[in-house]
Amino acid sequence: EDKVVQSPLSLVVHEGDTVTLNCSYEVTNFRSLLWYKQEKKAPTFLFMLTSSGIEKKSGRLSSILDKKELFSILNITATQTGDSAIYLCAVEAWQGAQKLVFGQGTRLTINP
Amino acid sequence: DSGVTQTPKHLITATGQRVTLRCSPRSGDLSVYWYQQSLDQGLQFLIQYYNGEERAKGNILERFSAQQFPDLHSELNLSSLELGDSALYFCASSRTLGPTDTQYFGPGTRLTVL
Repeated sequence: EDKVVQSPLSLVVHEGDTVTLNCSYEVTNFRSLLWYKQEKKAPTFLFMLTSSGIEKKSGRLSSILDKKELFSILNITATQTGDSAIYLCAVEAWQGAQKLVFGQGTRLTINP
Repeated sequence: DSGVTQTPKHLITATGQRVTLRCSPRSGDLSVYWYQQSLDQGLQFLIQYYNGEERAKGNILERFSAQQFPDLHSELNLSSLELGDSALYFCASSRTLGPTDTQYFGPGTRLTVL
């Protein structure tokens, strides 16, 4: 069965800290791994990773994929209170059509 | 704003009832996905349509059904509702069926079953 596991489930840090969120997966016919940020409502897209070892960066956020060890990390440096959200990892499996399998999410809280 | 719209925003109904949730994909997107997000289950893929045809099924109950219309909007029908069906229902759309095509999520419909 396809599975995506995120850790930690919850993380509370102070503003300015650096955090690392983890995502490990087991899926059939892996195509890509995606990170989403979910605040009050709908998830918003952050990154899509398809190749191992290539870091994707957007401002203070960066992510990397290891297809051999089947995991990805999302780093956030110099955290701000606006980074407080649930971060979702999803793995795209191709089974005749695109299918996204989501992890449980990591609830990140940044305290001032 | 992702460009995906969903109506209604909130829906409160009683057990045993039937509801319809509506989704309009981004302009030009042919593929629509439905997801259910409940507190204890996380985000679960329900079903996918592409250009009017069902393409993939996930953890969708038999009491639930969906369709995609010629104008590409989609409806998710939930019947014989139970308390456990209370959740946030998201629709997402993507341009094609391509394996690296990003999905964009709508704002969701919060369903409360009393």
